[in-house]
Amino acid sequence: DQQVKQNSPSLSVQEGRISILNCDYTNSMFDYFLWYKKYPAEGPTFLISISSIKDKNEDGRFTVFLNKSAKHLSLHIVPSQPGDSAVYFCAASRYKWGNEKLTFGTGTRLTIIP
Amino acid sequence: GAVVSQHPSRVICKSGTSVKIECRSLDFQATTMFWYRQFPKQSLMLMATSNEGSKATYEQGVEKDKFLINHASLTLSTLTVTSAHPEDSSFYICSAPPGDRPHTDTQYFGPGTRLTVL
Repeated sequence: DQQVKQNSPSLSVQEGRISILNCDYTNSMFDYFLWYKKYPAEGPTFLISISSIKDKNEDGRFTVFLNKSAKHLSLHIVPSQPGDSAVYFCAASRYKWGNEKLTFGTGTRLTIIP
Repeated sequence: GAVVSQHPSRVICKSGTSVKIECRSLDFQATTMFWYRQFPKQSLMLMATSNEGSKATYEQGVEKDKFLINHASLTLSTLTVTSAHPEDSSFYICSAPPGDRPHTDTQYFGPGTRLTVL
């Protein structure tokens, strides 16, 4: 039972344009959401997070939007850069604490076209 | 930022042997560490939560006798894959929240270990 889903396994975006990665979840107990970036044969790197009490969080080129009623979140990257090419995972947890276990989505491979 | 290391980065072994993977927090203490497994083109699946000084907590469907976890110190957790078989071939990743900041909102991930069982 995949509680966190990323329905687009891959996405290609022109450099300089906006990249939008989507994520859906089914467990209403999830209260905290994170996005990670991952290169092959490396561990994930934390990008940005959002608590369920918010609907938007912004950090530089990265913005995460949360629609709790739809159980949907998205990551916007603007402008997209070649170094953004990687696999992006969304993750969810019940609490906003680092020692709470994470449930990961299936990942979206983002390719930025120069 | 906090650094988590794993050793080895890559291991190839014969079917039936046991393999130990180490996860170390280099510049912080971690009372909790997590072990994940990732199959090709799939999600990271949590296997178990490693707790310093106590028994690990395993996720449903994960064989605790096959995947032995020991968290003997605040900076080291080990995962031993016992009697490994080809279906155990995977990418194993550990993570840890900084223990001195237990309410920090992120975990730090190790670089992963690629296990190939022949």
